[in-house]
Amino acid sequence: NAGVMQNPRHLVRRRGQEARLRCSPMKGHSHVYWYRQLPEEGLKFMVYLQKENIIDESGMPKERFSAEFPKEGPSILRIQQVVRGDSAAYFCASSLHLPQGRAYNEQFFGPGTRLTVL
Amino acid sequence: GENVEQHPSTLSVQEGDSAVIKCTYSDSASNYFPWYKQELGKRPQLIIDIRSNVGEKKDQRIAVTLNKTAKHFSLHITETQPEDSAVYFCAASSGNKLVFGAGTILRVKS
Repeated sequence: NAGVMQNPRHLVRRRGQEARLRCSPMKGHSHVYWYRQLPEEGLKFMVYLQKENIIDESGMPKERFSAEFPKEGPSILRIQQVVRGDSAAYFCASSLHLPQGRAYNEQFFGPGTRLTVL
Repeated sequence: GENVEQHPSTLSVQEGDSAVIKCTYSDSASNYFPWYKQELGKRPQLIIDIRSNVGEKKDQRIAVTLNKTAKHFSLHITETQPEDSAVYFCAASSGNKLVFGAGTILRVKS
């Protein structure tokens, strides 16, 4: 039973380029969360998605950042025109769907994508 | 919104001793409190969690306590071993997103 998968594991971009980070949730999980971890800091919530819906994007910068979780395929976190301050580890987590329409609390994390902006 | 504070930021203990990490939260609606362990360069891994209808939970050498009135919860690790060395994060949630503490670097000296 594969866990949460993320790719690429490492991504190097020059300032102004685009970064695309992918996340495949655990089998059976339909809720995806993205978190950002700056060096030697804690994890900060960015966005919470269900299939084809953004539920909560309160932690995501208004500009240059976007996320999607299409009906088919992985969730994508997209950062346009990257700047040095975007360098961080980006973790995806997934959780189960409860019959009541809510997400189960327990979140399982992927291995992360380490983005370096030169 | 929710705010989680975690103390201490670093903790050094001798192998075999106990380690205690404490967190406080601000949102009384939070009802789920997980603890994650993160080794260098690795993913956060859930080690134990507690829900608001429980005051204490134990799993072998790890225990978590929750005081809802005071809005604080703690992680207790007994008989520490060198492999317990890592960064530990507490978090609080009222349903969706996790709000994390800043982390505690635990060093177990052998």
